Amino acid sequence: NAGVTQTPKFQVLKTGQSMTLQCAQDMNHNSMYWYRQDPGMGLRLIYYSASEGTTDKGEVPNGYNVSRLNKREFSLRLESAAPSQTSVYFCASSDRWNSGNTIYFGEGSWLTVV
Amino acid sequence: TQLLEQSPQFLSIQEGENLTVYCNSSSVFSSLQWYRQEPGEGPVLLVTVVTGGEVKKLKRLTFQFGDARKDSSLHITAAQPGDTGLYLCAGHHQKLVFGQGTRLTINP
Repeated sequence: NAGVTQTPKFQVLKTGQSMTLQCAQDMNHNSMYWYRQDPGMGLRLIYYSASEGTTDKGEVPNGYNVSRLNKREFSLRLESAAPSQTSVYFCASSDRWNSGNTIYFGEGSWLTVV
Repeated sequence: TQLLEQSPQFLSIQEGENLTVYCNSSSVFSSLQWYRQEPGEGPVLLVTVVTGGEVKKLKRLTFQFGDARKDSSLHITAAQPGDTGLYLCAGHHQKLVFGQGTRLTINP
């Protein structure tokens, strides 16, 4: 059972370049999330999709866009990468939004912007 | 502003010792979760506590939710090297918010 799969695992970008992080879950979950993790900051929510067809901003949405392509897939796009976006990005999913359900995380994508 | 404050941020102890990690807030949470994260992986849920004063045990780990549902603690008895990792608390308050984490190292 793959759970939450995200790609790529590692990426180096130059300032101003764009890229998309892909995420897919095979648990038939309704809600999906994108977090970033920085030292001493814990996990901060970038965007979330409570259900298929909806997306909403989290704590730190600036510089990002998302697409809930279907129930399985939720992508994160950086249109013009900045060094401040160097981070580890985690995609996650849960059965329902904000319900206390278990959130399942992918293995992370390490992004460096130079 | 960090809604959830974890302490300590770093803890390094010897195998066999006991330890407690704290997760504090001024906000009331409908539920609180503890996750453990190992290097190169995503966080994995350890426990969810829902009721004020609730205590849950997971082998040598004891989790407690404060009576007012504003804080929580994680106590590990007789720590082992396999307990090494980043421990994150997360509270449900309109949205799920994470503490900054406690990086725990257990030395053999």
